Amino acid sequence: GENVEQHPSTLSVQEGDSAVIKCTYSDSASNYFPWYKQELGKGPQLIIDIRSNVGEKKDQRIAVTLNKTAKHFSLHITETQPEDSAVYFCAARAMGGKLIFGQGTELSVKP
Amino acid sequence: KAGVTQTPRYLIKTRGQQVTLSCSPISGHRSVSWYQQTPGQGLQFLFEYFSETQRNKGNFPGRFSGRQFSNSRSEMNVSTLELGDSALYLCASSSRGAETQYFGPGTRLLVL
Repeated sequence: GENVEQHPSTLSVQEGDSAVIKCTYSDSASNYFPWYKQELGKGPQLIIDIRSNVGEKKDQRIAVTLNKTAKHFSLHITETQPEDSAVYFCAARAMGGKLIFGQGTELSVKP
Repeated sequence: KAGVTQTPRYLIKTRGQQVTLSCSPISGHRSVSWYQQTPGQGLQFLFEYFSETQRNKGNFPGRFSGRQFSNSRSEMNVSTLELGDSALYLCASSSRGAETQYFGPGTRLLVL
């Protein structure tokens, strides 16, 4: 069935370093890939998304890349700050319309 | 615009009871999706409603049901609660034809 694998499950970086989170999806018909940030006690917040006709998208310190052939997509955060600490989820939307989420990455940015 | 709102925010029930959770989407959004979030299973899709019709359904037992009203507000119901139903239940809304989903803060359900 449809599946999204996300790695790593935990990531600790020093403030100012870059962080990279990677996801792999199984449904080759997937065409939309959002990334969400979830802080403690809150619902997931969309931070960036990419569609299958685009290879890369950037928004200030955040970028997402998509490799359709390999069915991989990645989130890149540069110049990390303590407020970037949260759980990050990738997701893939299949042709049926459901969003399938990865298991999440707990990012810790140490000052 | 106000965001997605969910009520109640916290709920404690006992096994065998039933529960109803409510979600009000962002004004103008007609699609509402529900997700269950647990530490072990992550975020799992329950169902999606659009214009009062269920458009998609996840792999959950029939004890989980939902509906959507003409004003796009949605409710989900869980009957005969089990301990494993303890979770954060999240609602997300999107506008017609849009893929982007905006989540509410969730309802945390504890089943004792």
